[in-house]
Amino acid sequence: GQQLNQSPQSMFIQEGEDVSMNCTSSSIFNTWLWYKQEPGEGPVLLIALYKAGELTSNGRLTAQFGITRKDSFLNISASIPSDVGIYFCAGRGSSNTGKLIFGQGTTLQVKP
Amino acid sequence: DVKVTQSSRYLVKRTGEKVFLECVQDMDHENMFWYRQDPGLGLRLIYFSYDVKMKEKGDIPEGYSVSREKKERFSLILESASTNQTSMYLCASSFGQIYGYTFGSGTRLTVV
Repeated sequence: GQQLNQSPQSMFIQEGEDVSMNCTSSSIFNTWLWYKQEPGEGPVLLIALYKAGELTSNGRLTAQFGITRKDSFLNISASIPSDVGIYFCAGRGSSNTGKLIFGQGTTLQVKP
Repeated sequence: DVKVTQSSRYLVKRTGEKVFLECVQDMDHENMFWYRQDPGLGLRLIYFSYDVKMKEKGDIPEGYSVSREKKERFSLILESASTNQTSMYLCASSFGQIYGYTFGSGTRLTVV
């Protein structure tokens, strides 16, 4: 099935550092979403983006809907140990009957 | 808050057994989904349903079937469990074709 290209696959950073990750698609999306999955749990929605160029923040997290509508970015500022988890991007276009397409995930580890 | 509840967090079954994974949501969502999650492979869609008694195949339906007799309940069935079905199974639900999915906490299934 169709998938998004999410990078990086994994990150190991020091507490206090900023983090950036992104997703790209070969087709245009109308919606971009970012999820976080903590160990042993299901993914939880962090941020939803519905318009090209939109920039939305949720605490230390900021996400952007790329103006080409084919990419999205998530930034985490001043990371802390509880940011550990897998971050997934997800997108929805007009052609896939409302289903979300998920990226492969970025595994984030934070060293105290 | 929307709740998606998966009946078991952990299951151990024997090869050849028929296995039922149950998922219930409490917010009248019409859409429900079953994913499996394996390291390095991200989230892969098994089956989904847009309404009661409706079901559609996802990307990896082989070896699985589903049942949706009531709007709030979506069951995943492994007709004859095999060791390659050992995985984390995630159920999700959503409203309409605009919003994100709400995931359950997952069922970690081990087939021995």
